[in-house]
Amino acid sequence: EAGVTQFPSHSVIEKGQTVTLRCDPISGHDNLYWYRRVMGKEIKFLLHFVKESKQDESGMPNNRFLAERTGGTYSTLKVQPAELEDSGVYFCASSFRDGSGANVLTFGAGSRLTVL
Amino acid sequence: AQSVSQHNHHVILSEAASLELGCNYSYGGTVNLFWYVQYPGQHLQLLLKYFSGDPLVKGIKGFEAEFIKSKFSFNLRKPSVQWSDTAEYFCAVRNDYKLSFGAGTTVTVRA
Repeated sequence: EAGVTQFPSHSVIEKGQTVTLRCDPISGHDNLYWYRRVMGKEIKFLLHFVKESKQDESGMPNNRFLAERTGGTYSTLKVQPAELEDSGVYFCASSFRDGSGANVLTFGAGSRLTVL
Repeated sequence: AQSVSQHNHHVILSEAASLELGCNYSYGGTVNLFWYVQYPGQHLQLLLKYFSGDPLVKGIKGFEAEFIKSKFSFNLRKPSVQWSDTAEYFCAVRNDYKLSFGAGTTVTVRA
């Protein structure tokens, strides 16, 4: 089966510009997550969708970040306007709830964002 | 909030050496534990997981990890590493649906 696909793999923008990252989860996975890793630090949770609904967006840094998942399929994460501290790798992951009730996340390759 | 601590930032070792990466977490409730690996240029992959049962779990590529509840630890081990094990390793703890990661340990295996 196809994995989690993220686009673009790398984006370089200037401070103040807008960037939109896209994630295509594994087909049939209702759960979709965004995580971010700032250089050298831990991977941090940003938000969680169940289908098209935001289940938890407690990790979103501020209102410059907007995530959507229209139709419950792919998701976008928009940063507007981008700041220097937004640089990092943005990971998307998806999962379905298996019989044990425990989700095993499958991650995408990540989108590296560099803000100059 | 729960936290995950990985003891080493960077480990360098020779092929055939044994590897042990430490991981401790702070959460006291029921947790699921994971080790993920990211090889150079590739995506995060699940190495192994612990949900319940035997605290010694075996994963892919000869890795294993031991859950010690009393120590809040989930250390990763491999008896004999290969050059291809060069990668970054992440310990993660899941409570409910959210994963919390450690900062990662970069492992460099010299041929």
